[in-house]
Amino acid sequence: SQTIHQWPATLVQPVGSPLSLECTVEGTSNPNLYWYRQAAGRGLQLLFYSVGIGQISSEVPQNLSASRPQDRQFILSSKKLLLSDSGFYLCAWSVTGGAYEQYFGPGTRLTVT
Amino acid sequence: AQSVTQLDSHVSVSEGTPVLLRCNYSSSYSPSLFWYVQHPNKGLQLLLKYTSAATLVKGINGFEAEFKKSETSFHLTKPSAHMSDAAEYFCVAPEGTDKLIFGTGTRLQVFP
Repeated sequence: SQTIHQWPATLVQPVGSPLSLECTVEGTSNPNLYWYRQAAGRGLQLLFYSVGIGQISSEVPQNLSASRPQDRQFILSSKKLLLSDSGFYLCAWSVTGGAYEQYFGPGTRLTVT
Repeated sequence: AQSVTQLDSHVSVSEGTPVLLRCNYSSSYSPSLFWYVQHPNKGLQLLLKYTSAATLVKGINGFEAEFKKSETSFHLTKPSAHMSDAAEYFCVAPEGTDKLIFGTGTRLQVFP
């Protein structure tokens, strides 16, 4: 069966510090991978998605970047965090090549102070 | 373009009473549709999915949804609410071949 991992679970970082959130998927090959952010009391915002190694699509211009160095690894980064980067970050995967459902990781709660 | 509208931002029910969470979709063709649930500080979990095979879809934890093309609706129901059903529920549709579009969510409160 497939499993998706995210770490860390919680993170408190000062403004201006760097960020690296990691997501890995087990039990599947060549998945689509996604990063979402959920701000307090708001819905899900798609940040980035990837249909293959090195292929990143950015949905919202912002202070964040994403990379996919391996088939089942997706990393969300920032060089300098802003207060507005606080939120709940969710990674998800889906089968590639169709309008399929996505499966979500447990999330990372980021608080920028 | 596909879109989904969740008609209620909050729904409150008593434990043991039926649950109805409403979702309308907008599409020129019969879409795939999904319902997800999110408990506080957790990831989203797929409750059920509609993929044109049957209009009445059964999901996990006793939930089901009926696809009604004439009404462009995909409402989520459960005959008897449990305290553990208290969560945020999202109606979701595909956008193109690689992305999903999420409704704004319905927060379900269950009172004892």
